[in-house]
Amino acid sequence: SDVLTQPPSVSVAPGKPAKITCGGHNIGSKSVHWYQQKAGQAPVLVIYYDTDRPSGIPERFSGSNSGNTATLTISRVEAGDEADYFCQVWERSSDHWVFGGGTKLTVL
Amino acid sequence: QVQLVQSGAEVQKPGASVKVSCKTSGYTFTSYDIHWVRQATGQGPEWMGWMNPNGGLTGYAQKFQGRITMTRNTSINTAYMELSSLRSDDTAVYYCARNSALDTAFDHWGQGTLVTVSS
Repeated sequence: SDVLTQPPSVSVAPGKPAKITCGGHNIGSKSVHWYQQKAGQAPVLVIYYDTDRPSGIPERFSGSNSGNTATLTISRVEAGDEADYFCQVWERSSDHWVFGGGTKLTVL
Repeated sequence: QVQLVQSGAEVQKPGASVKVSCKTSGYTFTSYDIHWVRQATGQGPEWMGWMNPNGGLTGYAQKFQGRITMTRNTSINTAYMELSSLRSDDTAVYYCARNSALDTAFDHWGQGTLVTVSS
C-alpha cells in the first residue's frame, strides 16, 4: 500500500511530550524516516531507520515502529520544535518512496 | 560540508517545460543517488524520482512517467530535473535531495526552487 496517514495537527505545551503517528498497512515491516520542516525551509531528517538520529539531532527526538503504526516522539517539546513533520517509507515492491501528508506541531 | 544548491525560481506557461539544476559539493557526487521531491503550498512532499549519478540510471514515479527526465553532468557535480507539458497544478517548490548512505532516507536537501505555471 502507498498510503501513509498522519494526523493533521498536534498541539502540546512546552516541556510536555509530543507523539506524532504515521499509519500504514504493515508499516512495521518497513524502514520509516521522519523529517522536520520549518516554515519556508527545506525538510531536515530527524529520524531514520525507525529509531536512529542523525548527528546534531537532539536526544529528545525518538522513533518507534510496529504493526500498522510508526511514532515520532519528542520527549520535552520546546518552542523551536514548532514545525511540520512528515513520515516517509520506501516501498520495495515498486521501488517508490512515499511521504505522509504531514502533521503540524503547535507549541502552546 | 555537504551542500546542494538549486537554480532560481521559474515562471512558465502551461504546456512549456522547466529544467531545474542541483549543484552539489562537499562529497563524491557519483557515490550517492539523487532524488527529486516537490511540494505544493500547504501539501505534503511528493516523491518524483531518483537518479544514480554514477551510471545515470533513473527511476520515476508512475505519475510523472513520460513527462520527467533526470540527467547529470559529472564534470560539474550537478543533477538536473526536467518536467515537460506543464500544467497549473505543477506549481510547487521542487527539491533535490541526497539519498543517505545508511538507508533509504534523504539526508541532505537543496534549498528548493519555486516553479510557477501560469498563463
